[in-house]
Amino acid sequence: RKEVEQDPGPFNVPEGATVAFNCTYSNSASQSFFWYRQDCRKEPKLLMSVYSSGNEDGRFTAQLNRASQYISLLIRDSKLSDSATYLCVVTSGTGNQFYFGTGTSLTVIP
Amino acid sequence: DTEVTQTPKHLVMGMTNKKSLKCEQHMGHRAMYWYKQKAKKPPELMFVYSYEKLSINESVPSRFSPECPNSSLLNLHLHALQPEDSALYLCASSQAPRSRGSYEQYFGPGTRLTVT
Repeated sequence: RKEVEQDPGPFNVPEGATVAFNCTYSNSASQSFFWYRQDCRKEPKLLMSVYSSGNEDGRFTAQLNRASQYISLLIRDSKLSDSATYLCVVTSGTGNQFYFGTGTSLTVIP
Repeated sequence: DTEVTQTPKHLVMGMTNKKSLKCEQHMGHRAMYWYKQKAKKPPELMFVYSYEKLSINESVPSRFSPECPNSSLLNLHLHALQPEDSALYLCASSQAPRSRGSYEQYFGPGTRLTVT
């Protein structure tokens, strides 16, 4: 079983739409969770860390559900510039390994 | 400053060549990582250095040889590579893991390697 499962999409949404991505993880001892964004032929860039209480940064909201072992990312009022691949990342129980989901491709359409 | 730099940006090498990739960070991070990324795939972890010591080697072939000369630098020495080793090689750094969680990683722009 993979450490992290993520729906690869693609998601094609109109500008202004709300879109949500989910990832499930297999190791209940995982301690840290992140969302990264990767543009074509560029490196992954940290979008936000995911905290147990949930956290929000502008149009982006991240949630963690430890009981069901999944994390989510909600993007409100999608912009063209949000088009990218979104990668969820889960660390090992010891914290020194980072496991990436396969990435979800988002295209925001004018 | 959350910058990780990598050189070179692009590298083309033959299967008999020896080359090195370089990575540098000045954020005081004590954990550094090498990843390999193929097109339309997520990054795959290769090596982890923690406090300048190799802590994880994900069964990487010996034709890849990492080196961490000091807390700011990370090298990846390449020798006798195969065409299937062509990929984007990403370096990342983070603060060293703590007992109750990990710190976020910051990635360099990568070296796009082509083996001919």
